Amino acid sequence: AQSVAQPEDQVNVAEGNPLTVKCTYSVSGNPYLFWYVQYPNRGLQFLLKYITGDNLVKGSYGFEAEFNKSQTSFHLKKPSALVSDSALYFCAVRDGPGGKLIFGQGTELSVKP
Amino acid sequence: KAGVTQTPRYLIKTRGQQVTLSCSPISGHRSVSWYQQTPGQGLQFLFEYFSETQRNKGNFPGRFSGRQFSNSRSEMNVSTLELGDSALYLCASSSYPAGLGNTIYFGEGSWLTVV
Repeated sequence: AQSVAQPEDQVNVAEGNPLTVKCTYSVSGNPYLFWYVQYPNRGLQFLLKYITGDNLVKGSYGFEAEFNKSQTSFHLKKPSALVSDSALYFCAVRDGPGGKLIFGQGTELSVKP
Repeated sequence: KAGVTQTPRYLIKTRGQQVTLSCSPISGHRSVSWYQQTPGQGLQFLFEYFSETQRNKGNFPGRFSGRQFSNSRSEMNVSTLELGDSALYLCASSSYPAGLGNTIYFGEGSWLTVV
């Protein structure tokens, strides 16, 4: 069965510092991995995805993610955090060819000025 | 291009009642899936529809049902509401079945409170 885990419930970063939100996965077959962000009282916004190819994936709002097959990880990164990046971040893996995603439990990112 | 549209955004229902939530996918998207988000259980897959057929179903009781219309719009229904059904219900659409790499886009959600 496909699964993802986000080992940190909360990540605190100072504005201007780099940030990393961690995600590990367990899949049978090739992984199709996604990152979404959720701002308070809003839906999920797509940030980026890994399908195949380059291990470094670039996405929206300056975010990128590094796919590491040997460590089964797909960590979300940003070189310089903004206060406006404070939100809930979800890692997800696609379960089959349809619209079913398996989500991690989410990581709350707090960026302080 | 308009995103995934969900209505209503907020609603309050009483235990035992039923509720219907509506979702209009992104134009051209034919797959619609539904998720429930709660603080305790996180994001859980409810079901997916494609071409008016349910293609996949999560582990929810039969009180949760859905349908899809010929224009790809979808509705989900919860009957005999329980307090534990209070949640954010998210609709998502994608252009499946073009491939596993298709992005799945979410709406703003419908906040359901059961009292």
